[in-house]
Amino acid sequence: AQSVAQPEDQVNVAEGNPLTVKCTYSVSGNPYLFWYVQYPNRGLQFLLKYITGDNLVKGSYGFEAEFNKSQTSFHLKKPSALVSDSALYFCAVRDKAGSYIPTFGRGTSLIVHP
Amino acid sequence: AAGVIQSPRHLIKEKRETATLKCYPIPRHDTVYWYQQGPGQDPQFLISFYEKMQSDKGSIPDRFSAQQFSDYHSELNMSSLELGDSALYFCASSSPSVLSYNEQFFGPGTRLTVL
Repeated sequence: AQSVAQPEDQVNVAEGNPLTVKCTYSVSGNPYLFWYVQYPNRGLQFLLKYITGDNLVKGSYGFEAEFNKSQTSFHLKKPSALVSDSALYFCAVRDKAGSYIPTFGRGTSLIVHP
Repeated sequence: AAGVIQSPRHLIKEKRETATLKCYPIPRHDTVYWYQQGPGQDPQFLISFYEKMQSDKGSIPDRFSAQQFSDYHSELNMSSLELGDSALYFCASSSPSVLSYNEQFFGPGTRLTVL
């Protein structure tokens, strides 16, 4: 079985400050991990993914995420937040040896204040 | 670049009516997924198709059915609509599905409102 937890329903950050959106996962084997962003009334947009290799993954719009196997985490980060980053962020996981259908977290609403 | 196309974008139906949602995947993508997203909810996987065959089934009600056609587009058919079916319905595509680390590309969604 695979599962994802996004412990924060909402994250508030001031523009220009660093942001972190947390994600932890559980899989039987090794994970493929994904981050998506969703703007109001829009579909999910792919940001980045971890497959293998370097634990620090860089993605779109200046976002990055760090895979931590010991903590089973894949937190999304950005050094300097923009107001336009305000959106809903979803973490997703697939077990490499399991179903190719990803499991999504419940989403975290990121609000960046001017 | 071409994206996933969904139609219609908005749909209003009465209870007990039927609805058909269409999805056109990105060219050369062979796998289509359907998701339902209620207000403030994460996307719930309904069903997927690979090379025109149903490949995986999630929480799709028996009142719903879907298929993928020879041109790879997919249709989600919903009958005996209920108020609780009101949601955003997303289609996503990916390819090739045997590479399970490939990300999904989502369409803009169809907002279904059942009155």
